[in-house]
Parts: sequence; C-alpha cells; structure tokens
Amino acid sequence: DIQMTQSPASLSASLGETVTIECLASEDIYSNLAWYQQKPGKSPQLLIYYANSLNDGVPSRFSGSGSGTQYSLKINSLQSEDVSIYFCQQNYDSPWTFGGGTKLELK
Amino acid sequence: QVQLQQSGAELAKPGSSVKISCKASGYTFTSYYISWIKQTTGQGLEYIGYINTGSGGTNYNEKFKGKATLTVDKSSSTAFMQLSSLTPDDSAVYYCAREGNWGLFDYWGQGVMVTVSS
Repeated sequence: DIQMTQSPASLSASLGETVTIECLASEDIYSNLAWYQQKPGKSPQLLIYYANSLNDGVPSRFSGSGSGTQYSLKINSLQSEDVSIYFCQQNYDSPWTFGGGTKLELK
Repeated sequence: QVQLQQSGAELAKPGSSVKISCKASGYTFTSYYISWIKQTTGQGLEYIGYINTGSGGTNYNEKFKGKATLTVDKSSSTAFMQLSSLTPDDSAVYYCAREGNWGLFDYWGQGVMVTVSS
C-alpha cells in the first residue's frame, strides 16, 4: 500500500495568515492526490483533486500544488471557518490511502 | 441535491455483527460506486472498499476482507455494510461516500459511530 505522510500534525496560525500543509507519498502518485477538509463534528469534504484542481464551491484562497511524491495545500488569508482537520489522499493505486491529518487551529 | 443519509449509532458486544445503511438521493444511484471509510482517532481514515451499485460487484481493501461485507438494494437506493466478529478495534465512525471519479469521494454521509463494548 502507498503510505501518505502529512506534516505538520498540528498547526496554529492567525487570521489573515498564509499556511501550508505538506503531504509526502511513499512512491510516485503522478498527481493523483486529493485534499479533504473536515470541520469539527462534520464529515470530510473534497477540496482539491488531481493535486491542483479546486472542487466546485471551494474558495480561491485554497490551492494545491506538487508532483511526484511531494504535494502541498496552501491557504491564503486564513479565515475563522478554515479551522479544520485537513487530510491528503492518494487515488493512484488501490487501496486508496490517506495521510494522518493536520489539525489547523487559530492562534 | 446529493445526499447520503446513514443509519444511527450502534452499540454492539464483542463477537456480534452490525449492519449499517447509507441511503442515497439527489442523483442516479447506479451511476456511482459507494465506498466505505473508517475513521478512528488513532488510525485516521482507512478505506474499506466499494460496491458497484449497478452490478453489486465489490472490491475490498485486503485489511477488511472477512470483516466487512458490502451489499446494495437498488430499489431503495441504499447501500449496506455489515461488520462481523466485532472487537473493540472496530469501534470507529464509519462513513459511506460517493466515488465520483477514480478514487475521489465527492459526497459523504454523516457517519455512523459504532462502539464495541461488553
């Protein structure tokens, strides 16, 4: 199975700040990388797919990048509603696997 | 709008089984696979497998073979997952999700908390 390693595990940032979350795959996943946002007490929601494509309705302050084994999620101008856990997931090879999550809190 | 409505929380004894449901609405049920995902505090998110809602064909993560059984009732647009021989390690929140494109989960149910305790 492909292992997905996310960093950091937790992150504290101020309103308006830019934050970046990293995701490392154990092998090349050819940009088959998705990001999900899970707000407190809610189900995960698809934010980004194929490394850099925004899902419908996702604010443009979210962006994804990367290739090969290294990927990142960037949130510009952090808003209070962005407080969530963020997960990466590879959809290159089944079984699909997820990163351990990054908990984003407000400072 | 697309909705996946899951059944309620379950409290089960070790060695027993539970069957949870996922009722879909707002789209053509048989046009998308339904996948199941386990979430625990310690292990994060784990992919269990999917069911082809049109044919009933299934694909399981090796880790969950023998633990999970996926079925579907097309007449009610409902997918089911049975978990058998329950142990405390099966305590988790279980989500169903629509698999929109290859391995992408574009809609999720609200989750079912399964607690295994004697």
